[in-house]
Parts: sequence; structure tokens; C-alpha cells
Amino acid sequence: AQSVSQHNHHVILSEAASLELGCNYSYGGTVNLFWYVQYPGQHLQLLLKYFSGDPLVKGIKGFEAEFIKSKFSFNLRKPSVQWSDTAEYFCAVNRYSGAGSYQLTFGKGTKLSVIP
Amino acid sequence: EAGVAQSPRYKIIEKRQSVAFWCNPISGHATLYWYQQILGQGPKLLIQFQNNGVVDDSQLPKDRFSAERLKGVDSTLKIQPAKLEDSAVYLCASSLGAPGLAVSSTDTQYFGPGTRLTVL
Repeated sequence: AQSVSQHNHHVILSEAASLELGCNYSYGGTVNLFWYVQYPGQHLQLLLKYFSGDPLVKGIKGFEAEFIKSKFSFNLRKPSVQWSDTAEYFCAVNRYSGAGSYQLTFGKGTKLSVIP
Repeated sequence: EAGVAQSPRYKIIEKRQSVAFWCNPISGHATLYWYQQILGQGPKLLIQFQNNGVVDDSQLPKDRFSAERLKGVDSTLKIQPAKLEDSAVYLCASSLGAPGLAVSSTDTQYFGPGTRLTVL
């Protein structure tokens, strides 16, 4: 079945450690890729997105993600995490679903806990 | 700019009861979405509207779920009757949309705070 896979359910890091969260998708054809973040007690918000062009995209708060088409991957990275990055991170793929409609499909999410 | 508003924030009902959720999108956003997020899962699309028309309801369990957006602004999602497995957070999102098109592939969706439903 076509899907979005996030490999890590829960990641625990110390402050200043580097972060990489994996995301793979199984859709063929053109896709648009997103990372959303949900901080504790807050709603989902966009972290970054990739539509076309440079496969390395930069988002808010020092996050970046690299689209590797041959690997169907869109991994999220940050060189040095802070306690305030504690949140749940969702990878999402926007793909054509027919009848002029695009559908956003989410992975299961990765919970990041940063220890001060 | 005001965000997507949802109410109520929490709802507890017994199985076989009915429940309704309300969503008011960001002003000027033509496209509105309802998602279901079960604990431990990512959001799953239930239905999307472009103005007051349904664009995609392929994943909506139509035997018990219904949604409307009569005037192309706010929307209501209803469950009747509720089952235990409907316990979840129901998220509403909106996006600008593209004139003349159903939904743009590059649209960014903005999410509301969600309604947490518990079915006992």
C-alpha cells in the first residue's frame, strides 16, 4: 500500500546534539513534501516544504530537509537541538488523488524529547 | 491574522450518541479539510471542500459521518451514531486554494487546535 513511513517513534537527545528524522514515501510520480511540527499543547504547524528546485530546503528554527528522489526520502535535520525543539514531528506527502484533487498523507509521527 | 477556530475543544459521549464539531477557517481560504487523528497515528483526511462543494470524501465513513459547508465558510462534521473506535482528535485545516482548480498541489494547510473526542 502507498504510505509515508517515519522510522523512529520516539527520539531522545541531549541539548546541542544533532538530529536526523527519517521519512520515506512509496508514491510514484510527482509529490510535494512537508514537515509539520506539533509543540506540546499547540496545534500542528508547518516547519518546511519542498515543491521543486533545490532538494535541500530550509525551514523555521534552523531545521532543514533533503529530498532524495532516488531513495524516496525526505529526512529532517538540525545540527544542534534545543530543549524548545521538544515536540512531535510529522512528515507528509501531497499527491494527486484523482478528480482534480490532491490529498495530504501523513506519517505516524516521531516524538522528539530534548533533555537539557 | 486569526487562525483556524474549532469548537468544542473536548467532548465526551457514550457510544451510539451523536456529536457535532464546528470549524471556522482562516478568512479568505477557499479549501477546508477535516482530519481524524487516532492516538499514535498521523492525521488521516476524512473530507475536503472547495468553497461549498465536496472535492474528496473517499475516506469518510459515510454510514455514520457527515459534513457540510453550506455557505462556503464554516463547516460542521457530525458523527451519528458514535462508536468506541471514533475516539480521536478531529482536526480542521484550511488553505488558500487556487481559483478555478479543485485543490492546488502546493497549497499549505493551516490547522486548528482540534477537538478531542472520547467515546465511552
